[in-house]
Amino acid sequence: KQEVTQIPAALSVPEGENLVLNCSFTDSAIYNLQWFRQDPGKGLTSLLLIQSSQREQTSGRLNASLDKSSGRSTLYIAASQPGDSATYLCAVREIYNQGGKLIFGQGTELSVKP
Amino acid sequence: DAGVIQSPRHEVTEMGQEVTLRCKPISGHDYLFWYRQTMMRGLELLIYFNNNVPIDDSGMPEDRFSAKMPNASFSTLKIQPSEPRDSAVYFCASSLGAWGEKLFFGSGTQLSVL
Repeated sequence: KQEVTQIPAALSVPEGENLVLNCSFTDSAIYNLQWFRQDPGKGLTSLLLIQSSQREQTSGRLNASLDKSSGRSTLYIAASQPGDSATYLCAVREIYNQGGKLIFGQGTELSVKP
Repeated sequence: DAGVIQSPRHEVTEMGQEVTLRCKPISGHDYLFWYRQTMMRGLELLIYFNNNVPIDDSGMPEDRFSAKMPNASFSTLKIQPSEPRDSAVYFCASSLGAWGEKLFFGSGTQLSVL
C-alpha cells in the first residue's frame, strides 16, 4: 500500500531564506507527483506537476525535483516571503489506479516570519 | 472560469439529519472527485466520476454516504443520517483528463455535526 510522508510537519523560517520541503513515497510505481499549497480555510492549489519521466519542474521561485527510484521529491522555495506561509502537500498518482486516486501526504505547515 | 464552486461553505447540523453538499466543476472538465479532510486522517478520496459515471467509490466510508452526478456541471454528496464523526472539510475537485493533469480544488464545505 502506497504511503506518502512529509517531513518536517512544521517549519518556521525568517524571510529571505531558501528552504526545502521533503516528500517520500513507499512505492516507486507512480505516474506523477504533484505539489499543492493550502491556505487556512481554503482549498488546495496545484503548484507543480512532475511526470514520472521528468526530474524536475520549475515555476518562479519554486523548483520541485523527483527521484522515483529512491521514492523522494523535494520542493525548493527560493527567497521565501511571508506570503509563502501555508501548508504544502505532495500527492502521488499510482500507475495501478484507473486514473483516479491521488495519495496525499499529511503536509508541511510553513511559516515565514517577516 | 470561476473555478470549482462548492456550497455551502459551512454547514452545522444535528446528528441524524440529512446533509447535502454541492459541487459545480470547472466547465469542460470530465473528472470530478470528492475528498474529505480531517486532522487525523488527512485528505481521503471518497469517490470520483468520469463523464458523470462513478468510477471508484471504495473510499465512501459507509452506506450513509452517497454521491450523484446527474450532469456534467453538478454533483452532490449526501450523508443520511449524519453522525458527529462525519465532521470534516469536504472538498470537490475536477480535472480535464485524469492521469497526467492537474487537479483543481474548490474551497470546501466545513461540516460540523453536533
